[in-house]
Amino acid sequence: EVQLVESGGGLVQPGGSLRLSCAASGLIVSSNSMSWVRQAPGKGLECVSVIYGGDATYYADSVKGRFAISRDNAKNTVWLQMNSLRAEDTAVYYCARVIVAGPLPYFDNWGQGILVTVSS
Amino acid sequence: DIQMTQSPSTLSASVGDRVAITCRASQTISTWLAWYQQKPGKAPNLLIYKASSLESGVTSRFSGSGSGTEFTLTISSLQPDDFATYYCQQYNSYPITFGQGTRLEIK
Repeated sequence: EVQLVESGGGLVQPGGSLRLSCAASGLIVSSNSMSWVRQAPGKGLECVSVIYGGDATYYADSVKGRFAISRDNAKNTVWLQMNSLRAEDTAVYYCARVIVAGPLPYFDNWGQGILVTVSS
Repeated sequence: DIQMTQSPSTLSASVGDRVAITCRASQTISTWLAWYQQKPGKAPNLLIYKASSLESGVTSRFSGSGSGTEFTLTISSLQPDDFATYYCQQYNSYPITFGQGTRLEIK
């Protein structure tokens, strides 16, 4: 059974940084494409970043240059480094396993989510 | 960017009803569309991919159809567990985009 467990969220001031982690079990992170999808309070879903099998990455325009996705194969973990945080980054962040069976991915396994609040 | 528009935004229905949710893309996306169910405080759950393929483990009461720019998620014989919010997602071109959601509530 695939399990994805996010951690590292919390309250941060505007301009600050946080690093989210996603610990995986039941799948090998190095053999899969992984992503972060966020959901602002009461709002819809936004794909923030994807890391593909060959380490190619994708970032939404809203976070490009501020966020960085990476993985630690030894720890079977995916990271999201978030810098220069803004109030509009406030959201629940979900780690999700990605299936690439077309031009782009969809998401078949999700973590429980972690809340990031950017506020002074 | 491809805009995904779902209708209706809210749908009231009763247990046993058959309901349909529509998702329209602003440009053609072939059949590169997925549907998710989300319950309050929980992560989304994949229901359908490639417009009409049922994800493993998902009840066959859910079905998807459509291609190009218009897609439908149909739930036959609603059960209490089906009352949730549903999202469509296109994976034809960047940026990956989701619909705004359809909240299915008990009448």
